Parts: sequence; structure tokens; C-alpha cells
Amino acid sequence: QQPVQSPQAVILREGEDAVINCSSSKALYSVHWYRQKHGEAPVFLMILLKGGEQKGHEKISASFNEKKQQSSLYLTASQLSYSGTYFCGTERADYGGSQGNLIFGKGTKLSVKP
Amino acid sequence: DTAVSQTPKYLVTQMGNDKSIKCEQNLGHDTMYWYKQDSKKFLKIMFSYNNKELIINETVPNRFSPKSPDKAHLNLHINSLELGDSAVYFCASSLGTVWETQYFGPGTRLLVL
Repeated sequence: QQPVQSPQAVILREGEDAVINCSSSKALYSVHWYRQKHGEAPVFLMILLKGGEQKGHEKISASFNEKKQQSSLYLTASQLSYSGTYFCGTERADYGGSQGNLIFGKGTKLSVKP
Repeated sequence: DTAVSQTPKYLVTQMGNDKSIKCEQNLGHDTMYWYKQDSKKFLKIMFSYNNKELIINETVPNRFSPKSPDKAHLNLHINSLELGDSAVYFCASSLGTVWETQYFGPGTRLLVL
């Protein structure tokens, strides 16, 4: 079952902040965040495994709610290099742990303008 | 040195042909994957191999057959290509299973005419 990402697209000015959400109707084992620039392969950002977890990666951070059904990716003081499509990949908790079976959301296209 | 490499980078072929895409990783990882990304950018896992053994085989046509001669290689063979097979195919690898970071190859752009 595919997770739902929102918004589908967002346009920012440099220095502005953005939040991208990833929601599932079922509890998740893990959430993975990737960024993909046009014509390139996806690049790993971070993995969240525990309910209530928060992780940071420079000015990009993410959270995983206590019920493990929603994750949010936070981009602060955005830079031009943040432009791309952000995907969340999820694993269902009822699959009995990680089986390597990531289901990706449809992506959120982020455009950062000067 | 490229961590995950794929060949060819571009593949243009006619319907009905058989083609293969090769993937190699030099990271010493145990798990390798094939993903398909369609024209709408939807990314979907197709296969996963751990130590040369198939652990995921999602609902893909049996015209697609992965082959893993050793744990550093995972090739994808496609028989009787169809128009709908046109997509970008990404190979990826991870140290263990999915709680490990997945490293993606550059992709193979397949166009079936």
C-alpha cells in the first residue's frame, strides 16, 4: 500500500522553509527519505525506525510520529541545491520486520528559486 | 571509483526483443535490488537479492528474470519487450536489508519502440 506524500509540489525562495509529509494507513516498520534530481539516481537522506524519532542532516531533518504512521521531512533555510523530488519509502510493520520491500510515495517536487 | 554501476546507460530496442541490463557494486554489500521508475517518476521495487538468493519478487511479469552470478552482480534479463517496459531501471545495493542505506546506480534508460 503506497504511502501518501504531501504536498505534491512546492516552490520556495532561497532561505525559506518547507515541510514534506509522508502518511500511511498502517503502522510502519521504517521510513526512508530520498532526494532525486532531474535525470539522476535517488540519493539517500535518512532512515527512521523508532516511533517519536527525530533525525537531522545539516539543515534537513525528519521526524517519525509515535504511532509510526507519519513522517515529516523538514528543510530549513533552503538552498538552491535542495531542489529535486523527495520520496519517502516505507516498510509495513505487519510484514514482520524488514524484508527489503520498500514502497515509495509519488514524490514531492521541490523547486528553490533565487 | 563508481560504487554501483550499470550498463548500458541507454537502451533503445524494438518490441519483442530480449535485452539484459548489468549491475555491479564494489561496496562489498550483501543485498542488491532492481527498481523501475516509470514516466510519471513512480519508483517501484522489482527484485531483491541477498547473498545471491532472491528475497523479494514483486508482482512483475515473468518476462523479467534477475540473475545473480555472485553477490557483487545482479543482472536483469527481459524477454519479449513491450512498450510498457519503457522506463528507467535502477540497480541499488545495501550492506544488509532495508534498514541499511541503499546506494543507487545511475540508471538505465530503456525505450521500447
